[in-house]
Amino acid sequence: KAGVTQTPRYLIKTRGQQVTLSCSPISGHRSVSWYQQTPGQGLQFLFEYFSETQRNKGNFPGRFSGRQFSNSRSEMNVSTLELGDSALYLCASSTSRTGTSYGYTFGSGTRLTVV
Amino acid sequence: QKEVEQNSGPLSVPEGAIASLNCTYSDRVSQSFFWYRQYSGKSPELIMSIYSNGDKEDGRFTAQLNKASQYVSLLIRDSQPSDSATYLCAVNWVGNTGKLIFGQGTTLQVKP
Repeated sequence: KAGVTQTPRYLIKTRGQQVTLSCSPISGHRSVSWYQQTPGQGLQFLFEYFSETQRNKGNFPGRFSGRQFSNSRSEMNVSTLELGDSALYLCASSTSRTGTSYGYTFGSGTRLTVV
Repeated sequence: QKEVEQNSGPLSVPEGAIASLNCTYSDRVSQSFFWYRQYSGKSPELIMSIYSNGDKEDGRFTAQLNKASQYVSLLIRDSQPSDSATYLCAVNWVGNTGKLIFGQGTTLQVKP
């Protein structure tokens, strides 16, 4: 069974640009969450999608957005990149049909560097 | 006060010993608790989940939950050098669908 697939693995962008990251969940998983991981702040929740609907959102500025498609694949977008957006962005998927978190499986992440 | 707290360590134990990792959380209606292991440069890997008070065992791992005292712990028996990693505690609150709150993680070093 394939795991959670994130593309690309590495990205280098210039300040002010925008970036789109992609996540394909485990087959059958309809809940997809996104996290930002930095050495200083640790793992922080960005948002969660289920059946194309955003069910929860973390405390990040509006420059961070996401969406989910009918096949459960998800994308997140960061506009007007800042140096502080440099981080490992992790996607995680779960069955989570009733809203109870059964545990999330993480992808390998996208390492974003903003220069 | 952070919502989920862990001692950053490093926690150093000799090979074959029991490693005990602890996590405390703030007073909310909690629902689910998870332990993730993260090797340097890798993504977190789910190793244990626990939902009710008591102990849950899986191989060399035992998760313990005490909701009255607001702590969850992870015991690793017969620790191996390959267990050296950062262990992350995560909590899901009722009403916070899909959102895990992570502690900062405890670095475990198992010395041969």
